Amino acid sequence: AQTVTQSQPEMSVQEAETVTLSCTYDTSESDYYLFWYKQPPSRQMILVIRQEAYKQQNATENRFSVNFQKAAKSFSLKISDSQLGDAAMYFCAYRSANPGTASKLTFGTGTRLQVTL
Amino acid sequence: DAGVTQSPTHLIKTRGQQVTLRCSPKSGHDTVSWYQQALGQGPQFIFQYYEEEERQRGNFPDRFSGHQFPNYSSELNVNALLLGDSALYLCASSRRALYGYTFGSGTRLTVV
Repeated sequence: AQTVTQSQPEMSVQEAETVTLSCTYDTSESDYYLFWYKQPPSRQMILVIRQEAYKQQNATENRFSVNFQKAAKSFSLKISDSQLGDAAMYFCAYRSANPGTASKLTFGTGTRLQVTL
Repeated sequence: DAGVTQSPTHLIKTRGQQVTLRCSPKSGHDTVSWYQQALGQGPQFIFQYYEEEERQRGNFPDRFSGHQFPNYSSELNVNALLLGDSALYLCASSRRALYGYTFGSGTRLTVV
């Protein structure tokens, strides 16, 4: 079974600064997807960024980028130029790419990000 | 374009009662998954419905059951409620099971 670990329960960053959230995972599969989701107080899970395991290039979405280290099974999220609206819970998630098996998302326990002035 | 709609937003039930939660998927989506998110935890997969059938199930007891209707909407039923069932229940929809998921804002269930 796949597991996802987020070892930072809380992180804090000053507005306009950069912060990195860590995530490690365990799997025996070679093809899969990794995600970072943001959950603000509104409770809705919002997709921040997605990475396909077969792609060596790290995904980037505006101020959000990832550092994907497949051999180390590490998938960190970097938020640049942090904004007050970035304050939320961030969840790392794994999904198999095998259509014949689980397409469920396996989540980590989350990192609460605070953004200060 | 409506996203995923869940109802009700909040619910309080007594131990031993039964509850039904509802989810309308995003337009164009045909697959619905349900997740349970306990306070301070990440969501846990309950089950997934596609073509009105349960396709996958997580590690949840039979007290948790579901249904998908021809219009792709779905219900989550929980029988014999326990205090430990108190959680945020999230619905996520997708087109087939292989594409990106869109989540609803969840139903907050409190069992007293």
